[in-house]
Amino acid sequence: AQSVTQLDSHVSVSEGTPVLLRCNYSSSYSPSLFWYVQHPNKGLQLLLKYTSAATLVKGINGFEAEFKKSETSFHLTKPSAHMSDAAEYFCVVSAAGRRALTFGSGTRLQVQP
Amino acid sequence: NAGVMQNPRHLVRRRGQEARLRCSPMKGHSHVYWYRQLPEEGLKFMVYLQKENIIDESGMPKERFSAEFPKEGPSILRIQQVVRGDSAAYFCASSPRGGEAGELFFGEGSRLTVL
Repeated sequence: AQSVTQLDSHVSVSEGTPVLLRCNYSSSYSPSLFWYVQHPNKGLQLLLKYTSAATLVKGINGFEAEFKKSETSFHLTKPSAHMSDAAEYFCVVSAAGRRALTFGSGTRLQVQP
Repeated sequence: NAGVMQNPRHLVRRRGQEARLRCSPMKGHSHVYWYRQLPEEGLKFMVYLQKENIIDESGMPKERFSAEFPKEGPSILRIQQVVRGDSAAYFCASSPRGGEAGELFFGEGSRLTVL
């Protein structure tokens, strides 16, 4: 079985300050991990993915995430928030051989001017 | 190169009516996934299809819901005799290959409201 827990349902930061969105996963197999972003009334866009290569993964728009097996975590970070980063972020896990993705419940990021 | 196209974007139905949601995958993609997003929740897997085949429907409710992906034309998610609890956003995603669920390309969703 696999699951993912996003530890914060809402995160609010000021523009220009760092962003940290937390994610812990559980998987019986070697997982692939993803972060997707959803802007209001839009579909989901892939930010980055981890598939057992480098543990520090760089994505689009300056985001990156670090896979820590010992902590079963895959937190998403960005050094400096931009107003356009305001959106819903989903941490997602896919176990080897499983076709379906398992989504976390999402973290809504607000960016204050 | 058009992305995943879903229609209608918004659909309103009264209880007991039928809802049909359509999804055209990206060009060259033969694998389609349907997900449901309830308010304030993440996406929940419903069904995975390839052309003319249902591969995994473990997330589909046992009654009233069905999906198809014919040889020609879009994938269809059909909900019969809708109830208020069916109100949700339904997302379609496609990928060029199955097996390991790598990157999926999502449509913008169809938002169903049941009155």
